[in-house]
Amino acid sequence: AQTVTQSQPEMSVQEAETVTLSCTYDTSESDYYLFWYKQPPSRQMILVIRQEAYKQQNATENRFSVNFQKAAKSFSLKISDSQLGDAAMYFCAYRGSGNTPLVFGKGTRLSVIA
Amino acid sequence: DVKVTQSSRYLVKRTGEKVFLECVQDMDHENMFWYRQDPGLGLRLIYFSYDVKMKEKGDIPEGYSVSREKKERFSLILESASTNQTSMYLCASSLPGTRTEQYFGPGTRLTVT
Repeated sequence: AQTVTQSQPEMSVQEAETVTLSCTYDTSESDYYLFWYKQPPSRQMILVIRQEAYKQQNATENRFSVNFQKAAKSFSLKISDSQLGDAAMYFCAYRGSGNTPLVFGKGTRLSVIA
Repeated sequence: DVKVTQSSRYLVKRTGEKVFLECVQDMDHENMFWYRQDPGLGLRLIYFSYDVKMKEKGDIPEGYSVSREKKERFSLILESASTNQTSMYLCASSLPGTRTEQYFGPGTRLTVT
C-alpha cells in the first residue's frame, strides 16, 4: 500500500521569508500524481499545487513551487514571500493510477510570524 | 465554482444514537469520499463511492456505513455512536481519473458524549 510521510508536524516562518515543507512517499507505481492541499483555520481544504510523476519539470503556482525528486520519492513544497494568510495545515497527498482515492500524509502546521 | 456542502458544522450526539452526516455536491461528480480528521493522524478514509449505489471501504470503515442513492448526495451513518467517533468529518468529491482534484466540504465537528 502507498504511504505518505510528512516528517515535520509543525513549522514556522517569518513573514516575507521562504519555507519548505517536506513530504516523502512510498509506491511501486510509475504513473501517479502528487498534491499539496492547504487547510486554513476555517477548515475548508483547498488544492495548492499538483505534480504528475511523468513530468520532470517542477510545478509552480505563483509563490508556491515543488521540488519533485522521483528517484528519492520526495515531494517538498516551497512557499516564497510567506504571508500571514499562508498559515494553515498543509497536507501532502498521493494518487496512483486509475480512479483511486487520495492517500494523505499527517500534515504540517505552518505558522507565519509577523 | 464547485461546491460541496455538509449538513452541519457542529453536531453533539449521545452514545448509542444513530447519526447521519449528509454531504451534497453540485458539480455532477462521480466520486465522493468520507474522511475523518484527528490531530496527529491526518485524514483517514472511511468510505468512498464511484457511482450511485456503489461503495467501497476505506482504511477505517468499522462502526460506519454509507448510502448513495443519488449522484449528488453521499451520507455517512454511525449506527450506534461511540465516544471514540468524536472527530472532524470531511466529505469530498471529484471527477474520475488520476489527475483530478478532490473538492472538500467545510467539515462537521461531531462530539459524542
